[in-house]
Amino acid sequence: AQKVTQAQTEISVVEKEDVTLDCVYETRDTTYYLFWYKQPPSGELVFLIRRNSFDEQNEISGRYSWNFQKSTSSFNFTITASQVVDSAVYFCALKTNSGYALNFGKGTSLLVTP
Amino acid sequence: DGGITQSPKYLFRKEGQNVTLSCEQNLNHDAMYWYRQDPGQGLRLIYYSQIVNDFQKGDIAEGYSVSREKKESFPLTVTSAQKNPTAFYLCASSITGDGAIVGELFFGEGSRLTVL
Repeated sequence: AQKVTQAQTEISVVEKEDVTLDCVYETRDTTYYLFWYKQPPSGELVFLIRRNSFDEQNEISGRYSWNFQKSTSSFNFTITASQVVDSAVYFCALKTNSGYALNFGKGTSLLVTP
Repeated sequence: DGGITQSPKYLFRKEGQNVTLSCEQNLNHDAMYWYRQDPGQGLRLIYYSQIVNDFQKGDIAEGYSVSREKKESFPLTVTSAQKNPTAFYLCASSITGDGAIVGELFFGEGSRLTVL
């Protein structure tokens, strides 16, 4: 069975603070893909990043960085120097070769205040 | 602009009525999906379609029906058999086959259904 756990339901930070969103996954497949999506107040989800199970390199994109650790089955997302525009719900998701669609976590609601 | 259009954005219905949510994409994507989002529950897959005239049930298909007669359209009908239909519904599409970024979904802005 595949499962994605985002233990943090809501996080509130003050602008310019760093924040890390946790994601833990479960799968028995050896080939799988992990994703992060952002859902702003407008409702549509926006793709942020994909990682496959064979690539454990960390990724940095501007203020965003992702830490993938197979040893702990985690794919955490860090926002550096957060901004108000980062306020959104963030979803971690998992896709395996045995399934066609993504399995999403329950999401973490991030509120960044001025 | 290319994208996914969902309509209506807000919909109210009385108990016992069927309602159809529209999803249209002009991205030329083969695959389309319907997800349901409830507060604190994340997204759950209702139906998906990898190709025209073919679709499969997702995790929570009971009380829903879909059709895929055209590549660009994937309407979802919420029937009276769906016991708790009040939710936010999201449609998505993706490329399949060679060159596709596996799992990259493009989403519409959603339809919020409220049953009175």
